[in-house]
Amino acid sequence: AQSVAQPEDQVNVAEGNPLTVKCTYSVSGNPYLFWYVQYPNRGLQFLLKYITGDNLVKGSYGFEAEFNKSQTSFHLKKPSALVSDSALYFCAVRDNSGGYQKVTFGIGTKLQVIP
Amino acid sequence: EAGVTQFPSHSVIEKGQTVTLRCDPISGHDNLYWYRRVMGKEIKFLLHFVKESKQDESGMPNNRFLAERTGGTYSTLKVQPAELEDSGVYFCASSKRQASSYEQYFGPGTRLTVT
Repeated sequence: AQSVAQPEDQVNVAEGNPLTVKCTYSVSGNPYLFWYVQYPNRGLQFLLKYITGDNLVKGSYGFEAEFNKSQTSFHLKKPSALVSDSALYFCAVRDNSGGYQKVTFGIGTKLQVIP
Repeated sequence: EAGVTQFPSHSVIEKGQTVTLRCDPISGHDNLYWYRRVMGKEIKFLLHFVKESKQDESGMPNNRFLAERTGGTYSTLKVQPAELEDSGVYFCASSKRQASSYEQYFGPGTRLTVT
């Protein structure tokens, strides 16, 4: 079975500082990894994904994530946080071992950027 | 291009009543997914349509939940009779292709409150 862990319920960071939102995963095969963001009263928006290739993936709004196979992690990062980045962030994984596999989401991490 | 839309945005019903949620996917997207997020928990998969056929309904909680996608366009999710534990936010998502690497596009969700 596949699973996703987001160990932090909330992350607080000062505006202009770098931010990291953590995600670790477990799959039996190779993972497809995704980050989504949910702004208040909005649906989830796709940020970025790792399928194959370069371990550092760049996405929307200046976000990036690094795939680390040995640590089974896919942490979301941004060099300089904005107040407008405050939202709920979800990590998701899909097993690429073949056959049909649904997406499994993490519990979500609330990011609060403090002015 | 219009995004995924869901109706209603909020619904408050009493235990034992019936509620029907609607999702209109992005035009041309054959794949339609339903998810549910109970407050503070992870986003849980409910089911997946490919056109009008159910590809995977393993996440449906019980037979009080009925999903349909007649004609392969919009989908409805009916809860009958509703129970208190059905409260949560119901998300719909769509994607163009079934390949695991394709991201899903989410609607804003329907917040269901059962009292």
